[in-house]
Amino acid sequence: KQEVTQIPAALSVPEGENLVLNCSFTDSAIYNLQWFRQDPGKGLTSLLLIQSSQREQTSGRLNASLDKSSGRSTLYIAASQPGDSATYLCAVNTGGFKTIFGAGTRLFVKA
Amino acid sequence: GAVVSQHPSWVICKSGTSVKIECRSLDFQATTMFWYRQFPKQSLMLMATSNEGSKATYEQGVEKDKFLINHASLTLSTLTVTSAHPEDSSFYICSASEVGRYNEQFFGPGTRLTVL
Repeated sequence: KQEVTQIPAALSVPEGENLVLNCSFTDSAIYNLQWFRQDPGKGLTSLLLIQSSQREQTSGRLNASLDKSSGRSTLYIAASQPGDSATYLCAVNTGGFKTIFGAGTRLFVKA
Repeated sequence: GAVVSQHPSWVICKSGTSVKIECRSLDFQATTMFWYRQFPKQSLMLMATSNEGSKATYEQGVEKDKFLINHASLTLSTLTVTSAHPEDSSFYICSASEVGRYNEQFFGPGTRLTVL
């Protein structure tokens, strides 16, 4: 059974700091991995999607990496801003339309 | 492209009433749609998977008679919470997979249900 774990559960950093969010999964047989952002009381915003054959994806200040063999993905946020404050969710697509979500990392960027 | 909408974005209802939530794929055809629920400060849990024109497949522990799902067209799925109770209060999110793009889901903005 696929399990997705995100560490840390919460993170508070000063503005401008670079940071890394971690996601691990127990079964390396995945189709893709996706990182989402969720603001309080809001829906999901897709940030980056990494296919199983890819090693990383970049969008602006965000960079996501994928190491399938070790069951790990990281989301790197450069030069963090207060507007980055949100919950970041990692989701693994295991095929057969099964997407398993991690519990998320709550990020707070202090001005 | 690949936009999914949900309606309503929030709803408050009395205990015992039924509530319908719509999920639409606006610019693509979705053979498969998914319904998730999210309790406060918890992650998303898949409730059911629906394919156009067929019965939904429910995850273990989800009452199919309480959460009625209809996927009548390639762009619309509905979730009806029947005889809602306060414990059904949650954030409900749908997602959809486009025909031919089976490994990617596009998520709706979610519906906040509060049952008084």
